Amino acid sequence: DAGITQSPRHKVTETGTPVTLRCHQTENHRYMYWYRQDPGHGLRLIHYSYGVKDTDKGEVSDGYSVSRSKTEDFLLTLESATSSQTSVYFCAINDYSYNEQFFGPGTRLTVL
Amino acid sequence: GNSVTQMEGPVTLSEEAFLTINCTYTATGYPSLFWYVQYPGEGLQLLLKATKADDKGSNKGFEATYRKETTSFHLEKGSVQVSDSAVYFCALINAGGTSYGKLTFGQGTILTVHP
Repeated sequence: DAGITQSPRHKVTETGTPVTLRCHQTENHRYMYWYRQDPGHGLRLIHYSYGVKDTDKGEVSDGYSVSRSKTEDFLLTLESATSSQTSVYFCAINDYSYNEQFFGPGTRLTVL
Repeated sequence: GNSVTQMEGPVTLSEEAFLTINCTYTATGYPSLFWYVQYPGEGLQLLLKATKADDKGSNKGFEATYRKETTSFHLEKGSVQVSDSAVYFCALINAGGTSYGKLTFGQGTILTVHP
């Protein structure tokens, strides 16, 4: 157990509304990631962070922003949700010692 | 850029059958290779990994060997069980620099095992 929690676990929202997903870790890992999972695409990287206030884009970052003001929290924001952002979102941390990545339980987001 | 290609699914087997899920990759340098498993309704769990050529990762009866000459990391299990029914993802990480820790995933292979 890498001590990763995500909130909320499920959310239904309407097109055009802002949504923020939270990832919290308890083990002080420097690197954190947000992925989305869609059928036929596996998991795709949205944004990642390599330290407090240090973030960068992944391969599917359009329509998403992130923030990391504390080591333990990494927030993913959809400024104006669209139906194409209906997905399951996973947060992950990288254990630097072993270069292994561990995942949170996921958030299922539905945009109507 | 990096890419991972897995065999098309779904794969349906009877209990105690032999399992192979093919995975090939394209990457620069010397990536680390991983298999993750996702059971229904759950997140991803690391199943096994290999960090250099000819390494064999193993866990829970599953094995995969890092073959640099064929850029492959095929997952095998000699005798599957119903409890192995899940989605399996092949993935790679390029170590170092700004790519540190960024996983590239295959599309996933659904495995269903019948009694």
